[in-house]
Amino acid sequence: DAGVTQSPTHLIKTRGQHVTLRCSPISGHKSVSWYQQVLGQGPQFIFQYYEKEERGRGNFPDRFSARQFPNYSSELNVNALLLGDSALYLCASSTGTSVEQYFGPGTRLTVT
Amino acid sequence: TQLLEQSPQFLSIQEGENLTVYCNSSSVFSSLQWYRQEPGEGPVLLVTVVTGGEVKKLKRLTFQFGDARKDSSLHITAAQPGDTGLYLCAGDTSLQETSGSRLTFGEGTQLTVNP
Repeated sequence: DAGVTQSPTHLIKTRGQHVTLRCSPISGHKSVSWYQQVLGQGPQFIFQYYEKEERGRGNFPDRFSARQFPNYSSELNVNALLLGDSALYLCASSTGTSVEQYFGPGTRLTVT
Repeated sequence: TQLLEQSPQFLSIQEGENLTVYCNSSSVFSSLQWYRQEPGEGPVLLVTVVTGGEVKKLKRLTFQFGDARKDSSLHITAAQPGDTGLYLCAGDTSLQETSGSRLTFGEGTQLTVNP
């Protein structure tokens, strides 16, 4: 069975640009969460979606937004990119009724 | 704000040695998960502990959840070079009953096992 998939793997953007990151959860999982991991730190929670509804938001500015589609895949959008947005963006999949979360390989975003 | 503190931040040992990594918080978590992460990859779930005082073993790894569910430890026996990686603890703060969990991560312990 396929695990959590994320695309693209790597991305280089310029300050002020917009980026869209994509995630497909494990088949049968209905919840997707997004995390940002800056080099040398643990992941920080950004959003959680369950059944297409936002169920949680971390301490991130409004430049960050996300949505979940009917097939439970998800997109994370970041507007007006800043240098500090450079990080590994991780998507985690869960059933929605259990505590275990399973992470994808991440998207490495570099803002120059 | 719920914080998880991990110690030590860095650990370099020789193959065959034992080690313990600690994860502490002033907050109570409904569950706690341990992950291992390789460079440039996503964290891989090792174990979930739910009950205060719970002990779980995974081959040479032993995980313990504190009685008050505020702290946890990971003990590795006879470490091997393949154990090298970033070990992360994450506390679960479930928002709603049917929405899964929201994880608060520690900053990680970077373990290097030298042959």
